Amino acid sequence: GENVEQHPSTLSVQEGDSAVIKCTYSDSASNYFPWYKQELGKRPQLIIDIRSNVGEKKDQRIAVTLNKTAKHFSLHITETQPEDSAVYFCAASETGGFKTIFGAGTRLFVKA
Amino acid sequence: DAGVIQSPRHEVTEMGQEVTLRCKPISGHNSLFWYRQTMMRGLELLIYFNNNVPIDDSGMPEDRFSAKMPNASFSTLKIQPSEPRDSAVYFCASSPREGSINEQFFGPGTRLTVL
Repeated sequence: GENVEQHPSTLSVQEGDSAVIKCTYSDSASNYFPWYKQELGKRPQLIIDIRSNVGEKKDQRIAVTLNKTAKHFSLHITETQPEDSAVYFCAASETGGFKTIFGAGTRLFVKA
Repeated sequence: DAGVIQSPRHEVTEMGQEVTLRCKPISGHNSLFWYRQTMMRGLELLIYFNNNVPIDDSGMPEDRFSAKMPNASFSTLKIQPSEPRDSAVYFCASSPREGSINEQFFGPGTRLTVL
């Protein structure tokens, strides 16, 4: 089955700096890679996703990159702000499939 | 759209008691997922349903856990008997699974404490 590994487990950056979170997956059949953000005490919410036919996707300060050959994908947050502080989860699944496997999460701290 | 609804939001019970968690998915979504979240284990998928049918329950930790989805608008996760190690936040999520849409919409969670 699919296995998703996520690094680092904790990341602390200064406000305005960039943050990068990296994930690897094992199942070559996976072709949908969402990222969820979970603020303290709240539910996980989708912030961006990428499909295997695309190498990069941007949405304002957030970007995701995907390398299917190497089976890794990354989340990039630029010009970080204190409200970006949260736990970020990467995940992998097959389009049209049922099961989404989540990484262990990265706790991001943005210091003002 | 009210989103995914879970009840209760908080549950405190004593070891050995039966606990039932409830979930109402977003109308029209045909996939439903139950997750457990703890500091030690992160977000674990327990079971998921498609069109009310359980597809994979391999994440259910023990026979003490059971889940049902009697219709498209309601699901339960039951723990009987409960143990202190079951203390966690339990999330229900639903997904439309229309074509290539796989986004999961999470409910607010139920924080379970077993004393």
